[in-house]
Amino acid sequence: DVKVTQSSRYLVKRTGEKVFLECVQDMDHENMFWYRQDPGLGLRLIYFSYDVKMKEKGDIPEGYSVSREKKERFSLILESASTNQTSMYLCASSLPLAGVETQYFGPGTRLLVL
Amino acid sequence: QKEVEQNSGPLSVPEGAIASLNCTYSDRGSQSFFWYRQYSGKSPELIMSIYSNGDKEDGRFTAQLNKASQYVSLLIRDSQPSDSATYLCAVNKHTGNQFYFGTGTSLTVIP
Repeated sequence: DVKVTQSSRYLVKRTGEKVFLECVQDMDHENMFWYRQDPGLGLRLIYFSYDVKMKEKGDIPEGYSVSREKKERFSLILESASTNQTSMYLCASSLPLAGVETQYFGPGTRLLVL
Repeated sequence: QKEVEQNSGPLSVPEGAIASLNCTYSDRGSQSFFWYRQYSGKSPELIMSIYSNGDKEDGRFTAQLNKASQYVSLLIRDSQPSDSATYLCAVNKHTGNQFYFGTGTSLTVIP
């Protein structure tokens, strides 16, 4: 069974705080992703990583950074949280099945920035 | 033009009916197609994947792919109230391994 976990289900932070969201997968997946999901906008890719210490910008990287020091762990960092970063954050990892990448999601972190 | 488009709904069907969900995609190079179910407040859960033209059946779910028309659909037979959720269509182009998601179709199954 694919298992992707996220460090918190709910977080409340203040504007200007540095926020760390952690994601861990236990299936030795190479690819990991961070999305945010907002009503009417769907899932938007923030960053992804193909391997340890590798990262690629997604569609909306501004205000975010990531860290992947170990294969199983992919962290999303909000350098200085702002109210427009209030959102549902979803981590995913992908596994090739029959040569096709299939993506699996963690439970999500609902972040409220006050 | 969006990579993946879905009708946002809401779509309402009576219990026991067939629910039909549709999705179109813009890039003809897309190779893998997925349907996720997302309950309110929860994360997306993979329910079907399809890679070849035609139909793929899994229990009450059937995914249909037509690459010439750039169209993917999901049929849910014998719909149950527990099927009430938002259904996300996703596409993988295999270039860069990025996945593109539609904004989802909200389905309500009325008892």
